Amino acid sequence: DIQMTQSPSSLSASVGDRVTITCRASQTISTSLNWYQQKSGKAPKLLIYAASSLQSGVPSRFSGSGSGTDFTLSISILQPEDFATYYCQQGYSPPWTFGQGTRVDVK
Amino acid sequence: QVQLQESGPGLVKPSETLSLTCTVSGVSVDNGDYYWSWIRQPPGKGLEWIGYVYYSGHTNYNPSLKSRVSISIDTSKNQFSLNLTSVTAADAAVYYCVRDAIWRFDTWGQGALVTVSS
Repeated sequence: DIQMTQSPSSLSASVGDRVTITCRASQTISTSLNWYQQKSGKAPKLLIYAASSLQSGVPSRFSGSGSGTDFTLSISILQPEDFATYYCQQGYSPPWTFGQGTRVDVK
Repeated sequence: QVQLQESGPGLVKPSETLSLTCTVSGVSVDNGDYYWSWIRQPPGKGLEWIGYVYYSGHTNYNPSLKSRVSISIDTSKNQFSLNLTSVTAADAAVYYCVRDAIWRFDTWGQGALVTVSS
C-alpha cells in the first residue's frame, strides 16, 4: 500500500492568514493526488483533484501543487468557514489511501 | 443534483454481518464514468477506503478487509450495497457511500454511524 503522510497534524491560524499543508507519498504517484475538507460531523468534500485542479464550486483561495511524492495544499486568505480538517488521498494505485489529516483551528 | 443516501442498521452485534445500502439519485449507477465506493471513518480517526463496485459488477477491495467484505450493485434499483462479515468493535465507524470519478471521490453520502455491541 502507498502510505500518505501529512504535516503538520494540526495548526492554529487566524482569519486572513495563508495556510500551507504538506502531503508526502511513500512512492511516486505522479499527480494522482486529491485534497478533501471535512467539517465536524459532516462528510468530506473534494477540493482539489489531480494535484492542482480545482473542483467545481470550490473557492479560488484553495490551490494545490506538486508531483511525484511531495504535494501542497494552500489556502491563500483563510476564511472563518475554512477551519476544518484536511485530508490528502492518492488515486495512483489501489488500495486508495488517505493521509492522517491536518486539523486547522483558530489561533 | 446527485445525491447518495446510506441506509441500514445502526447497531450490529459482534461476529455478525454489517449490511448497508446506498441509494443513488441524480445519476444512474450504470453510468460507466463512475465507480461506487464505500469509505469508513472510526470516531475521531481518519478515512479508510473499503472497496468499489463498477456497474458491470467488477469489484476491488482493500486487502485489509478483503476476506470479510463484499460490495454489490443493483442497477434496477439504482443502489449499491456493502456487507462486512464477522464484525468486531474495530469495525465501529461512520460508513460513507461515495461516487468515485476516476480515483477521486467527488460526491459523498451523509454517512451512517454503525455501532458494534451486544
